[in-house]
Amino acid sequence: KQEVTQIPAALSVPEGENLVLNCSFTDSAIYNLQWFRQDPGKGLTSLLLIQSSQREQTSGRLNASLDKSSGRSTLYIAASQPGDSATYLCAGEPKGDMRFGAGTRLTVKP
Amino acid sequence: GAVVSQHPSWVICKSGTSVKIECRSLDFQATTMFWYRQFPKQSLMLMATSNEGSKATYEQGVEKDKFLINHASLTLSTLTVTSAHPEDSSFYICSARASGRLGNEQFFGPGTRLTVL
Repeated sequence: KQEVTQIPAALSVPEGENLVLNCSFTDSAIYNLQWFRQDPGKGLTSLLLIQSSQREQTSGRLNASLDKSSGRSTLYIAASQPGDSATYLCAGEPKGDMRFGAGTRLTVKP
Repeated sequence: GAVVSQHPSWVICKSGTSVKIECRSLDFQATTMFWYRQFPKQSLMLMATSNEGSKATYEQGVEKDKFLINHASLTLSTLTVTSAHPEDSSFYICSARASGRLGNEQFFGPGTRLTVL
């Protein structure tokens, strides 16, 4: 059964910093790896999807990479802004269903 | 992108009553839909997977007689929480897997917050 771990559990940074969120999974047979953002009391917003044949995806200030051999994915956020404050979830899909990490709660201070 | 809706967005009910939550794929056909549950400050936990026209597959520890799932069409799945109790209070999120032009990505609904008094 796929287990997904996210480190750190919480992160607080000043505005403008570049930061990295980490995600690791136990089963390297990842089919898709997806990063989401969740604001308090809200649903999920999909940020980046890395499909099985890909190694990274970029969208604006966000870059996500996937290394299947080490069972790791990272989400890089450049020039962080207060509006980036949210919980970031990674989810790995071995085949069929999606398994979520516990999330990293990010606070960007003005 | 593909859109998934949920109805209602929130519901408050008395203990012992049943609550139905709908999940719809608005602009695509979903052969598979997933139901997740999220308790406060915790991550999403998969409850069950449903394929159109067949019985849902439940995760270990999820009572299938309590959480009834019906996936009667390619655009609609429903989750009924029967005889709800306060411990069932949670945020329920569905997702739908598209087929064809949308590949195999899952698209998530906005969630339904259930509060059982």
